Amino acid sequence: DQQVKQNSPSLSVQEGRISILNCDYTNSMFDYFLWYKKYPAEGPTFLISISSIKDKNEDGRFTVFLNKSAKHLSLHIVPSQPGDSAVYFCAASGDDKIIFGKGTRLHILP
Amino acid sequence: DTAVSQTPKYLVTQMGNDKSIKCEQNLGHDTMYWYKQDSKKFLKIMFSYNNKELIINETVPNRFSPKSPDKAHLNLHINSLELGDSAVYFCASSQAGTTYGYTFGSGTRLTVV
Repeated sequence: DQQVKQNSPSLSVQEGRISILNCDYTNSMFDYFLWYKKYPAEGPTFLISISSIKDKNEDGRFTVFLNKSAKHLSLHIVPSQPGDSAVYFCAASGDDKIIFGKGTRLHILP
Repeated sequence: DTAVSQTPKYLVTQMGNDKSIKCEQNLGHDTMYWYKQDSKKFLKIMFSYNNKELIINETVPNRFSPKSPDKAHLNLHINSLELGDSAVYFCASSQAGTTYGYTFGSGTRLTVV
């Protein structure tokens, strides 16, 4: 029973263009949503988060949008850079734990 | 000066053996976690400890026993290893709740043969 779903296992984007990673969740009681980035043979690293009471949070090239009525969030990366190639995990926080999605592998093409 | 360090990085062992994975954090965080990433790439929480006390114990076989000698360490001991235990195990730590995100170790890849 996946509470956090990332339906796209992979995504390829041209360098310089916008990357949009999507995530859906089922539990309306989550209070925070987070995005993590993971390189091979490394642990996930925290990227950006958003409170459930907000609809947008921006940090440099990264923006997370939250649509509570649709139980959907997305991560926008613009402009995309080669170093952005990684696996991105969507995660949701509640009950003192973080629940992760399955991840989306982002390939930035030269 | 690694923030969250796990040892070993790779572990290959036979079925039925007992093994331990160690985790240490030097961030001064008060909560530590163990996550398992299985072959389907799901990252699932196993345990969390806050100041050496068990807070979360998900549906994990009792062959898995976490031990926290102090708040900077959370070790994972696994008895009678099975093939299905093969996975990557990540340790993580956090402070002031989950809103600030976790800091993860680089993972331990366990292979049971």
